[in-house]
Amino acid sequence: QKEVEQNSGPLSVPEGAIASLNCTYSDRGSQSFFWYRQYSGKSPELIMSIYSNGDKEDGRFTAQLNKASQYVSLLIRDSQPSDSATYLCAVESNFGNEKLTFGTGTRLTIIP
Amino acid sequence: DAMVIQNPRYQVTQFGKPVTLSCSQTLNHNVMYWYQQKSSQAPKLLFHYYDKDFNNEADTPDNFQSRRPNTSFCFLDIRSPGLGDAAMYLCATSKGWGAYEQYFGPGTRLTVT
Repeated sequence: QKEVEQNSGPLSVPEGAIASLNCTYSDRGSQSFFWYRQYSGKSPELIMSIYSNGDKEDGRFTAQLNKASQYVSLLIRDSQPSDSATYLCAVESNFGNEKLTFGTGTRLTIIP
Repeated sequence: DAMVIQNPRYQVTQFGKPVTLSCSQTLNHNVMYWYQQKSSQAPKLLFHYYDKDFNNEADTPDNFQSRRPNTSFCFLDIRSPGLGDAAMYLCATSKGWGAYEQYFGPGTRLTVT
């Protein structure tokens, strides 16, 4: 079982709709969770961090965390073509002595 | 603006010819990281420094070395690059280890011919 799992996609969403990206993790002791956006050929850019169960909103982005079910999700409201990118989920993992473990990412395409 | 800078952005080297990649930061963060990312893969941690304390991942090949001469700068040395070392090399920084947000530089794309 991979430590951090994401659906690789591609996920296609019409412009203006809500994009929903999901991530599951295996280390029940993980406490810190991050979402990064990565455009093709570029480096990852931090979008959100979340540490507590529930929702955290920042502009059009909402991160949702459920530690009991070991999943974290990212919602993008009013999706724009500029949101087309790969979204990486990263989890602080006690398996790896608190290092960040990244998923392989979900490729999101917003269709105009 | 505070940032993480990597040079060069693109590096072409020959098989077996040593290469050094550099990273600098103006964020005054304690921790600096080097990641390797290949196409469609997750970033893979190679090393990290907490201040001057060096931490090597168990599966990082001996061919890779790192130096952090001061708080602001960190270098990645690849002693004898192989074709399999072609990748994007990412430098990141964070205030502390573990729960802290990591901020990435723009990356260096390494090509090995």
